[in-house]
Amino acid sequence: SQQGEEDPQALSIQEGENATMNCSYKTSINNLQWYRQNSGRGLVHLILIRSNEREKHSGRLRVTLDTSKKSSSLLITASRAADTASYFCATAPAGGTSYGKLTFGQGTILTVHP
Amino acid sequence: NAGVMQNPRHLVRRRGQEARLRCSPMKGHSHVYWYRQLPEEGLKFMVYLQKENIIDESGMPKERFSAEFPKEGPSILRIQQVVRGDSAAYFCASSPSDTEAFFGQGTRLTVV
Repeated sequence: SQQGEEDPQALSIQEGENATMNCSYKTSINNLQWYRQNSGRGLVHLILIRSNEREKHSGRLRVTLDTSKKSSSLLITASRAADTASYFCATAPAGGTSYGKLTFGQGTILTVHP
Repeated sequence: NAGVMQNPRHLVRRRGQEARLRCSPMKGHSHVYWYRQLPEEGLKFMVYLQKENIIDESGMPKERFSAEFPKEGPSILRIQQVVRGDSAAYFCASSPSDTEAFFGQGTRLTVV
């Protein structure tokens, strides 16, 4: 598997339900970030969690990080149709100062049905 | 403070032509990164530049691709003699140095 792999590849839920996406990575990281990309559009930065943090919240988003398992999860609560998008995790390597050199996963395609 | 600006948003080139993609970082940002996204895939790092210096080009194809970030003006990603396989979305990101990078809207290159 590759650095920053998301699971599942696709997720289809009803509006109001929660959506959970997982990400696994291989090497040591400085931080892990989640991005959203609407079809054919640019990336929107959602949240960054550093390697010494275990959980972070932002609005309806909750991110957890387990460095011992090299995994992270993104939870979107009370989903809306507007949350329909592809979600990517991206890792910044440990030990460097290059915060923009990220390794992206393949993404999870989330579809929220009204 | 405007975000990262990329232009053009869409670019169509015939096989064998050159493609020039421009990226203006956010004000105060001196670090620029280029990524490529092939259809149905995640972004892949290509190159990391600071003003007038290439810091890391480990993700750049060995031939036909080059990047620069001059003292004045935008960063340029240049693809010579484009082939159909170069069709992709190219994203630029910038950072001030010690925080996360901010991405532009991307340039979608189509080679016909």
